[in-house]
Amino acid sequence: DAEITQSPRHKITETGRQVTLACHQTWNHNNMFWYRQDLGHGLRLIHYSYGVHDTNKGEVSDGYSVSRSNTEDLPLTLESAASSQTSVYFCASSEGISGGAPDTQYFGPGTRLTVL
Amino acid sequence: DQQVKQNSPSLSVQEGRISILNCDYTNSMFDYFLWYKKYPAEGPTFLISISSIKDKNEDGRFTVFLNKSAKHLSLHIVPSQPGDSAVYFCAADTSGTYKYIFGTGTRLKVLA
Repeated sequence: DAEITQSPRHKITETGRQVTLACHQTWNHNNMFWYRQDLGHGLRLIHYSYGVHDTNKGEVSDGYSVSRSNTEDLPLTLESAASSQTSVYFCASSEGISGGAPDTQYFGPGTRLTVL
Repeated sequence: DQQVKQNSPSLSVQEGRISILNCDYTNSMFDYFLWYKKYPAEGPTFLISISSIKDKNEDGRFTVFLNKSAKHLSLHIVPSQPGDSAVYFCAADTSGTYKYIFGTGTRLKVLA
């Protein structure tokens, strides 16, 4: 069955360290997204990609970067982790349907990141 | 400015009764609205959606109503079951952008 996976599921790091969160999907979806979930804010978009070599900034992109070298993967990098980046991170993917139906996003299980 | 709002952070309902979760939006350009359900330690899962040209969509125990003039939608769960206890997120989508705007979520607790 097609799926979307994230690793690690839990990560503790220190302020200033570089951290990379992995996201892998086997849906062969064009679109991939990274969100963070924080109490009182819901899910906020960090970065997204419409295809290989395409990346775009979302609502809360400062301090984060992504790269898309193939269809299946969109790793999220925190260049220099800050305590404000302690959060739960979700990756999602969608087919890229345009018109006639919503472009349903499918989410991974999440990564809980703690920055000390 | 928050374009999608869920003003009730939590809701408790007795098993077998109706659960009504509400969502308001400000952008009249949204084409689709979606509801996602999230259990602890899991990712959100798609529940039901509605096009902006409809006023109702039903799927089993779940019905979403859309009132465009009020920029308001609601999710009805009838009858509510303990397994429905989760956080529910409302999301809005503008066709072609592929990006969702999420509300802050409502935690539903169904009491046995």
